[in-house]
Amino acid sequence: SYVLTQPPSVSVAPGQTARITCGGNNIESKSVHWYQQKPGQAPVLVVYDDTDRPSGIPERFSGSNSENTATLTISRVEAGDEADYYCQVWDSGSDHSYVFGTGTKVTVL
Amino acid sequence: EVQLVESGGGLVQPGGSLRLSCAASGFTVSSNYMSWVRQAPGKGLEWVSLIYSGGITYYADSVKGRFTISRDNPKNTLYLQMNSLRAEDTAVYYCATPSPLSGAHDYWGQGTLVTVSS
Repeated sequence: SYVLTQPPSVSVAPGQTARITCGGNNIESKSVHWYQQKPGQAPVLVVYDDTDRPSGIPERFSGSNSENTATLTISRVEAGDEADYYCQVWDSGSDHSYVFGTGTKVTVL
Repeated sequence: EVQLVESGGGLVQPGGSLRLSCAASGFTVSSNYMSWVRQAPGKGLEWVSLIYSGGITYYADSVKGRFTISRDNPKNTLYLQMNSLRAEDTAVYYCATPSPLSGAHDYWGQGTLVTVSS
């Protein structure tokens, strides 16, 4: 089955840029989606189809996908961005399964 | 406005059964793909099951043969029947709506906690 690997944690100072990676075999051939999850809350979709943002998501959130790594970039980080972030793809092969990454805890210093 | 409300969670003994419900409003369950996703305490997200609008179902290997996803069209409600429960099934269970084109889950319920313990 398909595996998505993320760094366990990323630390960033307010106003700086956070980059969260999501590694997978030839991930550029898949559409990657990103979710933000704060403690005790359901996940929220922040980027879909590699680069698109749902309505209401700030432009500070952006995504990219190339070769074996997808990246979520959070610009001008704010205290409210502190959360867990998960990448996700659809493995539409024989399993028809959705695969989530291992998750990254973003800490705002 | 799209809303998903899960219910049915609780404490169950190993080997027991539980049925989760996900009541939807603002859209039609039978016309959409629907997912169950779970999260064990302190752990990451794990996809559990999917039902297509056409009714085809898929399951994660970890629950295949034990869990059954279904829907009640008049009630506009999604279900997850969980049998032969194990301690490792302990988690918050979310229902969500994956896009049929890309798989992005754009709407999520608030989740319901299932605890499997003696």
